[in-house]
Amino acid sequence: EDQVTQSPEALRLQEGESSSLNCSYTVSGLRGLFWYRQDPGKGPEFLFTLYSAGEEKEKERLKATLTKKESFLHITAPKPEDSATYLCAVQARNQFYFGTGTSLTVIP
Amino acid sequence: EAQVTQNPRYLITVTGKKLTVTCSQNMNHEYMSWYRQDPGLGLRQIYYSMNVEVTDKGDVPEGYKVSRKEKRNFPLILESPSPNQTSLYFCASMRQGVNTEAFFGQGTRLTVV
Repeated sequence: EDQVTQSPEALRLQEGESSSLNCSYTVSGLRGLFWYRQDPGKGPEFLFTLYSAGEEKEKERLKATLTKKESFLHITAPKPEDSATYLCAVQARNQFYFGTGTSLTVIP
Repeated sequence: EAQVTQNPRYLITVTGKKLTVTCSQNMNHEYMSWYRQDPGLGLRQIYYSMNVEVTDKGDVPEGYKVSRKEKRNFPLILESPSPNQTSLYFCASMRQGVNTEAFFGQGTRLTVV
């Protein structure tokens, strides 16, 4: 069964305290792994797509990495404006499967 | 500006009254899909479309219909809504291929009483 699991469910960080979010997946026929940011009451905002093990992508304070079974979203020196829910999704064949997200709070 | 537009943003309706939620994208994307988001369950795919006149079921298609007559539009139809379809709905579009980005609409909050 295709499945995506994100951990932790919630994370509180002090401003400047780096950490990582995890997305583990079990799918057949992976075509891509996607990371999104979602603010309350809004649609998910695209961050990254990763396609193969070993691939890495960066954007400002965020860096996404991919292995054969999981992906990490590393947040370096976060700021309060990074507070949001971070969603991971995999594309298997032509369908998308989402994790339930990690709610990140960055405290000033 | 590249965007996915959903309407309406909020809708309260009664059980059994047919409704349509519209979705339009201005990026000429081939792939479009509908999701529902429920607390504790995350986003679940309802239907998707690979291109005009090509649609397929996602994980939770029961009680929904879609059509793709034009590339830019992908309406979601609830023929006979029920209270268990109360949810937050999102439409999304994506260009096929590598290094692709995916765009979501702002969401439609539907309440069925």
